[in-house]
Amino acid sequence: EAAVTQSPRNKVTVTGGNVTLSCRQTNSHNYMYWYRQDTGHGLRLIHYSYGAGNLQIGDVPDGYKATRTTQEDFFLLLELASPSQTSLYFCASSPGQSNERLFFGHGTKLSVL
Amino acid sequence: QQKVQQSPESLSVPEGGMASLNCTSSDRNFQYFWWYRQHSGEGPKALMSIFSDGDKKEGRFTAHLNKASLHVSLHIRDSQPSDSALYFCAASEANSGTYQRFGTGTKLQVVP
Repeated sequence: EAAVTQSPRNKVTVTGGNVTLSCRQTNSHNYMYWYRQDTGHGLRLIHYSYGAGNLQIGDVPDGYKATRTTQEDFFLLLELASPSQTSLYFCASSPGQSNERLFFGHGTKLSVL
Repeated sequence: QQKVQQSPESLSVPEGGMASLNCTSSDRNFQYFWWYRQHSGEGPKALMSIFSDGDKKEGRFTAHLNKASLHVSLHIRDSQPSDSALYFCAASEANSGTYQRFGTGTKLQVVP
């Protein structure tokens, strides 16, 4: 089973604060993703990457930056956090093509007060 | 606009019963479909994929795909309390470099 580890598990910040969510996968997958989960919206893709140094925009990228520093590590950055970014964030990885299964981490619950 | 819609929003079935979940896409470019299951406090986990028209069976789970109507369903027979979870349908295009788009989810409760 592919391993995807996210940190922190929970994070509370204030409006305008700076937040970095971390994700590491240990299965040499090429693709990594950041999704947010909200009731009534399901999972929505923020950013994804198909390798170190690469970044692609998903469906809801506004207010988020991301960086893939290595094959294993993918970070999501909120530089001026807003209450609308309160959500459950999931990182996922997959070997390659879009039709391959995604492996998800346990998620990070972010609250922006 | 959500490109992948799921119904019902929630579903309650008795233990041992059949649960049927539906998923409809609004984009004819979607060719590949996955079902994921998420237990409370965990990340989603892939259940099964279906890429061709017709039925695909894996144990108690059967997926059905009709590409002409852009409809995919998941049927769980002999439902168990451990099947209680949030179920997501995900769809993707045939082109490389694209990504899976998820539906809004169906919350299944199996009542003992």
